[in-house]
Amino acid sequence: AQSVAQPEDQVNVAEGNPLTVKCTYSVSGNPYLFWYVQYPNRGLQFLLKYITGDNLVKGSYGFEAEFNKSQTSFHLKKPSALVSDSALYFCAVRDSPSGGSYIPTFGRGTSLIVHP
Amino acid sequence: EPEVTQTPSHQVTQMGQEVILRCVPISNHLYFYWYRQILGQKVEFLVSFYNNEISEKSEIFDDQFSVERPDGSNFTLKIRSTKLEDSAMYFCASSDQAGGPETQYFGPGTRLLVL
Repeated sequence: AQSVAQPEDQVNVAEGNPLTVKCTYSVSGNPYLFWYVQYPNRGLQFLLKYITGDNLVKGSYGFEAEFNKSQTSFHLKKPSALVSDSALYFCAVRDSPSGGSYIPTFGRGTSLIVHP
Repeated sequence: EPEVTQTPSHQVTQMGQEVILRCVPISNHLYFYWYRQILGQKVEFLVSFYNNEISEKSEIFDDQFSVERPDGSNFTLKIRSTKLEDSAMYFCASSDQAGGPETQYFGPGTRLLVL
């Protein structure tokens, strides 16, 4: 079974400050981890993924995420937040493919609000 | 940049009524998906569809749900007899390859409210 938790419903940060959006996961095998962003009235947009390799993954719009196997976490980070980063962020996980299954599990989403 | 579109953006229906949610995937994509998100809860996978067949489906996708690609451009989700608990945001996604969510392009969603 696979699951993902986003413990914060909302994260508030001032523009220019670093931001972190938290995600923890649980899978039985090797995790494939993803972050998505959703702007108002738009679909989910892929930001970045971790499958293997370096624990620090860089993605779109200056975002990065750090895979921590011991803590089963994949927190999303950005060194300097922009007001335009305000959106809903979703973490997702799926187990390494088994029998051709690619079904992901998403978190509830975290609303990021960046204040000017 | 090509986008997945969904209609309507909002739909209100009475319990027991049938609803059809429509999606227009990106034109050269062959893999199609539906997800839903009940307000305040996680996004949940419903079904994947390829070559006019369901590839995978979740436990949520019971006999009340069906999917169809009625023509070369649309991909629909039908709920035969809606229940209150079907109220959710429904996302369509498409992809040009088999794989997980990282390969998929998502539409903006249809918000369904069942009264």
